[in-house]
Amino acid sequence: QVQLQESGPGLLKPSETLSLTCVVSGYSISSGYYWAWIRQPPGKGLEYIGSIYHSGTTYYTPSLQSRVTISVDTSKNQFSLKMSSVNAADTAVYSCVRHGGSSGLDPFDYWGQGTLVTVSS
Amino acid sequence: QSALTQPRSVSGSPGQSVTISCTGTSSDIGGYHYVSWYQQHPGKAPKLMIYDVSKRPSGVPDRFSGSKSGNTASLTISGLQADDEADYYCCSYAGTNTLWVFGGGTKLTVL
Repeated sequence: QVQLQESGPGLLKPSETLSLTCVVSGYSISSGYYWAWIRQPPGKGLEYIGSIYHSGTTYYTPSLQSRVTISVDTSKNQFSLKMSSVNAADTAVYSCVRHGGSSGLDPFDYWGQGTLVTVSS
Repeated sequence: QSALTQPRSVSGSPGQSVTISCTGTSSDIGGYHYVSWYQQHPGKAPKLMIYDVSKRPSGVPDRFSGSKSGNTASLTISGLQADDEADYYCCSYAGTNTLWVFGGGTKLTVL
């Protein structure tokens, strides 16, 4: 059974950098698939942030591309999200998710439980 | 605001059917066959219910079905059960630049 678990600071101040890690168990990232970050502001809908393939190729949603970096560490079977210059609008539950299959177009099939990140001074 | 438009809420009685719509554009829903639907109970992670417009993952009851016409996708739940009460989100591939877009979510209430 594929499992994903997010970790990272839950409280940030405006202008700081958000750093989250997702540890994957039950599946080797090196075997394939795409690994994504999706966020959900309190009481709002889902927003795709970006993905990384096991080779390291990254894809970012245009609105966040200038502030986001996703990286992968296959030796630890984990991938990470960094988002710079956060503000209150970045307050959300951040989830790591598997998707894509071999084409990159398969749906988001395994989700982590999500971690709440609050941006407040 | 979300790229895809869903009704904020729908409701139905046990045993009835409900349909949730998801409207996009020719750049997302209308242009690709990669529409998926997710069910989310409060405090839980989303669960994949439908993918590629109308396919059901293993374990998802056949009460759940999906379709698409033009720029609008639909999720139909028949034989409503109490446990179907949840938020439902649609998602579509939107090309190599935008990648993936979601709807704002629909709250399903089972009366």
